[in-house]
Amino acid sequence: SQQGEEDPQALSIQEGENATMNCSYKTSINNLQWYRQNSGRGLVHLILIRSNEREKHSGRLRVTLDTSKKSSSLLITASRAADTASYFCATARGAGNTPLVFGKGTRLSVIA
Amino acid sequence: KAGVTQTPRYLIKTRGQQVTLSCSPISGHRSVSWYQQTPGQGLQFLFEYFSETQRNKGNFPGRFSGRQFSNSRSEMNVSTLELGDSALYLCASTDTSTNEKLFFGSGTQLSVL
Repeated sequence: SQQGEEDPQALSIQEGENATMNCSYKTSINNLQWYRQNSGRGLVHLILIRSNEREKHSGRLRVTLDTSKKSSSLLITASRAADTASYFCATARGAGNTPLVFGKGTRLSVIA
Repeated sequence: KAGVTQTPRYLIKTRGQQVTLSCSPISGHRSVSWYQQTPGQGLQFLFEYFSETQRNKGNFPGRFSGRQFSNSRSEMNVSTLELGDSALYLCASTDTSTNEKLFFGSGTQLSVL
């Protein structure tokens, strides 16, 4: 069963625009992670935010976490065509850090 | 360091057959997890191995099994294949000093005809 649910399911934007994806989860967490997947390939870890953090940045990525609402958002600024991929949030199902449970993802298309 | 290696990359089988997929984790990673990805169900956790022991298990039938060897390499086996087993099977390893982020292989695309 999915712990995280991403929203929207699909997003299409022009190159240079910002892309925002949201994730909601159900239980308490130690951390929340975002991954990216290019079509038919493995997932690549993007960023991890801990439960005691509210915001984190990495390059063009900005992640926020609101534990009171059990939600997170991933912002990609100044999108590029190469950002076209599916993006997943993931949280640990239990008290530990594994196993990670993934949402169904947001499919981002960046049009040049 | 070399990444996570999965073999084979593509596999075609027929219903009723069995299949074995292989995963070599990043050197030094002792935890290996397996996931099944389908368009309808998304990423579903199969199982996790750590030091040759199954540490966590997802909600899959007994036809799905796995094991881990002393060098941390892992295999998963699916017996009596069904059409619905067609999927991308992903393996991931974790640095057990942090046990946090996963490093994924490129996956094995299994087609059951």
